[in-house]
Amino acid sequence: EAGVVQSPRYKIIEKKQPVAFWCNPISGHNTLYWYRQNLGQGPELLIRYENEEAVDDSQLPKDRFSAERLKGVDSTLKIQPAELGDSAVYLCASSLVVPGTGELFFGEGSRLTVL
Amino acid sequence: TQLLEQSPQFLSIQEGENLTVYCNSSSVFSSLQWYRQEPGEGPVLLVTVVTGGEVKKLKRLTFQFGDARKDSSLHITAAQPGDTGLYLCAGGWTNAGKSTFGDGTTLTVKP
Repeated sequence: EAGVVQSPRYKIIEKKQPVAFWCNPISGHNTLYWYRQNLGQGPELLIRYENEEAVDDSQLPKDRFSAERLKGVDSTLKIQPAELGDSAVYLCASSLVVPGTGELFFGEGSRLTVL
Repeated sequence: TQLLEQSPQFLSIQEGENLTVYCNSSSVFSSLQWYRQEPGEGPVLLVTVVTGGEVKKLKRLTFQFGDARKDSSLHITAAQPGDTGLYLCAGGWTNAGKSTFGDGTTLTVKP
């Protein structure tokens, strides 16, 4: 069974440029998460989807970040314009169980460097 | 302020040694997960504990959930270089549908 697929793996951009990350969750997983992981820290939730509905986006910086999950399958996270402080690894995860109770399956992440 | 405090932040040991890392909070969790993350990869689940006082073993790894469901420990016996990685704990609240991660313990096991 294929795991969570993310692309691109690496992205280097200059500040003020836009960037987009794509995630395809494990088939059948209704819940999809986007996390941001800064160097030396644990993942921090940006947004959680249940099917196509964003049910928790309280930590998403909405002035520059946006996300969508059309058709309740794959998802895109966009940053426009990027700032230096956005440099981080952006992790996508999916799960089958009730959120907060168990296993998250993570992709390999997209490492963003903003120059 | 980090809700889940993990200690130590860094640990470097020789192959064959035993070690324990900790995950502490003032919050009560419905469940707690331990993940291991290798460089350039996403975290991979090791275990989920849900009952206060619960102990789970996974080969040389022993996980314990505190009686009050606020803290947890991970003990590794006879560590091997393959155990090297970032160990993350994550506490979850079922009724809120949320979980939160600690900042992890970076373990290096030298041959």
